[in-house]
Amino acid sequence: QKEVEQNSGPLSVPEGAIASLNCTYSDRGSQSFFWYRQYSGKSPELIMSIYSNGDKEDGRFTAQLNKASQYVSLLIRDSQPSDSATYLCALEGGGSNYQLIWGAGTKLIIKP
Amino acid sequence: SQTIHQWPATLVQPVGSPLSLECTVEGTSNPNLYWYRQAAGRGLQLLFYSVGIGQISSEVPQNLSASRPQDRQFILSSKKLLLSDSGFYLCAWSSSRGGYTFGSGTRLTVV
Repeated sequence: QKEVEQNSGPLSVPEGAIASLNCTYSDRGSQSFFWYRQYSGKSPELIMSIYSNGDKEDGRFTAQLNKASQYVSLLIRDSQPSDSATYLCALEGGGSNYQLIWGAGTKLIIKP
Repeated sequence: SQTIHQWPATLVQPVGSPLSLECTVEGTSNPNLYWYRQAAGRGLQLLFYSVGIGQISSEVPQNLSASRPQDRQFILSSKKLLLSDSGFYLCAWSSSRGGYTFGSGTRLTVV
């Protein structure tokens, strides 16, 4: 059973600080990893993808992947109240259908 | 550019009534299409996926069904809704680049 684990939170972070979201997975064969942001009542939107070990930066967001330790993380610098949302970790489970295996999400609250 | 349309946005249906939710994709051909359900405060549950016209795979046994009559059209149906069918229904498509793009979702309340 391929699994993706996330702390459900809520994770409370003061405005301007760094928010750190973590995700561990069980399938060593996974090659593609994604972070989605979901605002309450809205559909998930892709914010970061990462395919190789190391860091990938996009604006205030940094995704980190460590395949040996089987974890992927998302750092949000200079957190803003608008970053308050649920963050979903997902990875491709293999096969030709590009199916994603999803974590249950971490709720992030940025306190002004 | 690729876009995905999903409707209706909100639906209130009585128990035992039929359901039809539609999803269409523009700007791409032969996409992989998915139907997900998200119960309140819960994660995403994959219901169906399709890799081509008429090709439907079901992930969870239930009273729902899906059809793909055209390349860029995906329909979720039920003959008789149950209270437990309430939730947020999401259509998504994926490309070889990886990752999904979701539609705006349909919030279904069965009363």
